[in-house]
Amino acid sequence: AQTVTQSQPEMSVQEAETVTLSCTYDTSESDYYLFWYKQPPSRQMILVIRQEAYKQQNATENRFSVNFQKAAKSFSLKISDSQLGDAAMYFCAYIGYGQNFVFGPGTRLSVLP
Amino acid sequence: DVKVTQSSRYLVKRTGEKVFLECVQDMDHENMFWYRQDPGLGLRLIYFSYDVKMKEKGDIPEGYSVSREKKERFSLILESASTNQTSMYLCASSLFGQDANYGYTFGSGTRLTVV
Repeated sequence: AQTVTQSQPEMSVQEAETVTLSCTYDTSESDYYLFWYKQPPSRQMILVIRQEAYKQQNATENRFSVNFQKAAKSFSLKISDSQLGDAAMYFCAYIGYGQNFVFGPGTRLSVLP
Repeated sequence: DVKVTQSSRYLVKRTGEKVFLECVQDMDHENMFWYRQDPGLGLRLIYFSYDVKMKEKGDIPEGYSVSREKKERFSLILESASTNQTSMYLCASSLFGQDANYGYTFGSGTRLTVV
């Protein structure tokens, strides 16, 4: 069964600085998708970024980018120019073809003014 | 704007009560899901449904059941609530098949406390 690990339960970053959240996963599949979801205090899960495993190019969405290392099964999220509104729980997630999402345990990010 | 709506944001129920958590989506999605969210454990899948009147067990179905009588509505039922079911419950929906790989849309969650 696929598993997703986030080794950092909590992290903090100074406003305007850069922070990287780690995620590793385990799968025997070759085609799959990886996601980062953000859950702010409002509890609404928001899709941050999506990566297709067959694409070597790392996905980027404005201040959010990923470092996807397929061989190492690593999928880290970099947040540049951190803002107070970035404070949230961040979940890494995996989905394979014909499967349901598998979520990591989450990383709580605090942004310090 | 697409929406997944959960009927209650907070619920407090007594041990042994039958509890209904309701979820409605307006996106005509085929797939619907119920997750339980606990600190340090992430989101764990309770039940899911790919079609009306269809249901499949997820990873932690014990103590729960579901109902999907209409495409847009997916209900989670706690037959006899227990204190270990105190948790955050998230409903989600998605398109069917490979389109599910575009991601899920989530509701805002119901925080259930069983006393």
